[in-house]
Amino acid sequence: DAKTTQPPSMDCAEGRAANLPCNHSTISGNEYVYWYRQIHSQGPQYIIHGLKNNETNEMASLIITEDRKSSTLILPHATLRDTAVYYCIVRVAGRDDKIIFGKGTRLHILP
Amino acid sequence: KAGVTQTPRYLIKTRGQQVTLSCSPISGHRSVSWYQQTPGQGLQFLFEYFSETQRNKGNFPGRFSGRQFSNSRSEMNVSTLELGDSALYLCASSSRTGYGNEQFFGPGTRLTVL
Repeated sequence: DAKTTQPPSMDCAEGRAANLPCNHSTISGNEYVYWYRQIHSQGPQYIIHGLKNNETNEMASLIITEDRKSSTLILPHATLRDTAVYYCIVRVAGRDDKIIFGKGTRLHILP
Repeated sequence: KAGVTQTPRYLIKTRGQQVTLSCSPISGHRSVSWYQQTPGQGLQFLFEYFSETQRNKGNFPGRFSGRQFSNSRSEMNVSTLELGDSALYLCASSSRTGYGNEQFFGPGTRLTVL
C-alpha cells in the first residue's frame, strides 16, 4: 500500500506558485520522499527527491517538515504544461527500484 | 542521452492471444522495471530486472513474465490475454547505483485486448 496521502485534486492559476501537499506520517529514517508527475498518457516524469533537507532544482522545490511527516512540492510559476497528476512517494533510495504509486493529486492549471 | 524507448507504442490483440513488449533502457542503466496502469487500479508494479535477474515481483499472475538480456534490454510477455489486461504498460530504467537512483520512464505501450 502507498505510504502517502495526497489530495485528489487541486487548482492553481497560471503564473502562480502551485503548492502540492503530501502526508507521510509513517516514513522511516532511511526513506526518501520522491515526486513524479504524469502528463496525460505519458510515462511518469521524475521531478525531485529529498531526505530531510529542502531541495531545489530547475523544475521545483521540495520542502520537508522537520519531523519529516509531511512535505510540499512547489512549482514556482505554474504554466498550463504543468497540468498533470503528481505522485508523492516514499522509498529507500538504492535498495530496490520498486515504486508503490498512490492515487496522486490531479493538478489543474487555470488560464 | 536517448531516453527509455518502448515498442510497440500501440497494440491490439484478442482474448487468448499472447503478446511481447520490448523496452530499451537508457544507455548505462542496468535496472529495468515494468508497471501496468489502468484507470481502475492506477500504476502497479509488475517486476524489476537487474543484470538479467529478476529482483522484485509484484502481485500479478504467472501469465505475466519478463526477461532481461545482457545488453539490459528487457521484454515482458503476457500469455492467454484477458480483457482486463488492457492497459498502458510502462517501463522504467535506473542506474541502481544507490543514492539518487531515480527511475526514468518510457512513453509506454498501450495494449487493447478485444
